[in-house]
Amino acid sequence: DGGITQSPKYLFRKEGQNVTLSCEQNLNHDAMYWYRQDPGQGLRLIYYSQIVNDFQKGDIAEGYSVSREKKESFPLTVTSAQKNPTAFYLCASLAGTGVQYFGPGTRLTVT
Amino acid sequence: QKEVEQDPGPLSVPEGAIVSLNCTYSNSAFQYFMWYRQYSRKGPELLMYTYSSGNKEDGRFTAQVDKSSKYISLFIRDSQPSDSATYLCAMRENDYKLSFGAGTTVTVRA
Repeated sequence: DGGITQSPKYLFRKEGQNVTLSCEQNLNHDAMYWYRQDPGQGLRLIYYSQIVNDFQKGDIAEGYSVSREKKESFPLTVTSAQKNPTAFYLCASLAGTGVQYFGPGTRLTVT
Repeated sequence: QKEVEQDPGPLSVPEGAIVSLNCTYSNSAFQYFMWYRQYSRKGPELLMYTYSSGNKEDGRFTAQVDKSSKYISLFIRDSQPSDSATYLCAMRENDYKLSFGAGTTVTVRA
């Protein structure tokens, strides 16, 4: 089955802890993305990567970090510097047609 | 002003009605237009994709693009309770980044 997987589905952390969200794709897509979704605000771009070993900041990169060591994997770390980390996080990849396909999401709750 | 404006609703319609969803945008360089459907606590799934002005039909769904007015629409005919979801419009220039509307929440009442 081809697609994008994100794990875990739900994640709970204490304030002050860093946490890493996993995103894996077997679609052979070059470009991958991380979005944050909050109620009433749509999707906001955190980071994106067009190719292995390269990535760019999106609109709300502060408090987040990423790596792209393999084409299939694009993990996102939410650091303790992120002021409001509780949100729904979505990973996506870009097909050659120009369409983005999304994973199932990770709901992060920080208390 | 946001680059993409979408009425968040919520929109409630009876089963069988036509659902009409709209987005306006300010960036005339947008060339590609998409509609995604998102069920609660799930990732968005692609419904329609178009890159030209005019209408595109797929089953009960019709996407309409008017580049001169910077306006796109999605129509759902014969709506079903299973169509209850949040609908996101998205668009991009000829690059890697998409711009999204805030999403419209639709409820179809049985």
